[in-house]
Amino acid sequence: DAEITQSPRHKITETGRQVTLACHQTWNHNNMFWYRQDLGHGLRLIHYSYGVQDTNKGEVSDGYSVSRSNTEDLPLTLESAASSQTSVYFCASLRREAYNEQFFGPGTRLTVL
Amino acid sequence: RKEVEQDPGPFNVPEGATVAFNCTYSNSASQSFFWYRQDCRKEPKLLMSVYSSGNEDGRFTAQLNRASQYISLLIRDSKLSDSATYLCVVMSGNTPLVFGKGTRLSVIA
Repeated sequence: DAEITQSPRHKITETGRQVTLACHQTWNHNNMFWYRQDLGHGLRLIHYSYGVQDTNKGEVSDGYSVSRSNTEDLPLTLESAASSQTSVYFCASLRREAYNEQFFGPGTRLTVL
Repeated sequence: RKEVEQDPGPFNVPEGATVAFNCTYSNSASQSFFWYRQDCRKEPKLLMSVYSSGNEDGRFTAQLNRASQYISLLIRDSKLSDSATYLCVVMSGNTPLVFGKGTRLSVIA
């Protein structure tokens, strides 16, 4: 079955380290997204991509970057992790057809100490 | 004004009750509307799309009022398993989906 996976599922890191969260989908969807979710804020869009070599900033992109070298993967990099980036991170992909369903990965819980 | 606004709740209702959630959106050009469900510590999942004429899926009914720019979700005969956070979602053209912060529902035995 097609799916979307994230790794690692849990990560503890230290302030200032570079961290990369992986996201992989097997639906061949062009549209992929990264969100963070914090209490009181709901889902906030970090970066998104509409296809290979395409990346766009979301509402909370500072301190994060993404790259899209193939259809299946959209890794999220925290250039220099900060405690304010402690959060749950969700990756998602979307098939833009009549149904327009967006599928989410299981999430990565990141703690920055 | 937030793009998508929801009452955060929590809504605490007894089993068997009927509960309704409303959601308002600010972009009049919005074209597609959805309700997602998110269980505690899990990812959001699509519950149902919302169509202009309203639509029903078992105990769940979704309504859209374009003139007033609001969407509603009605849950009849609430079950314990309905306890979750319900996210209102709006799509405009080719832009990313816009999510509300969610309404928390607790169904109590």
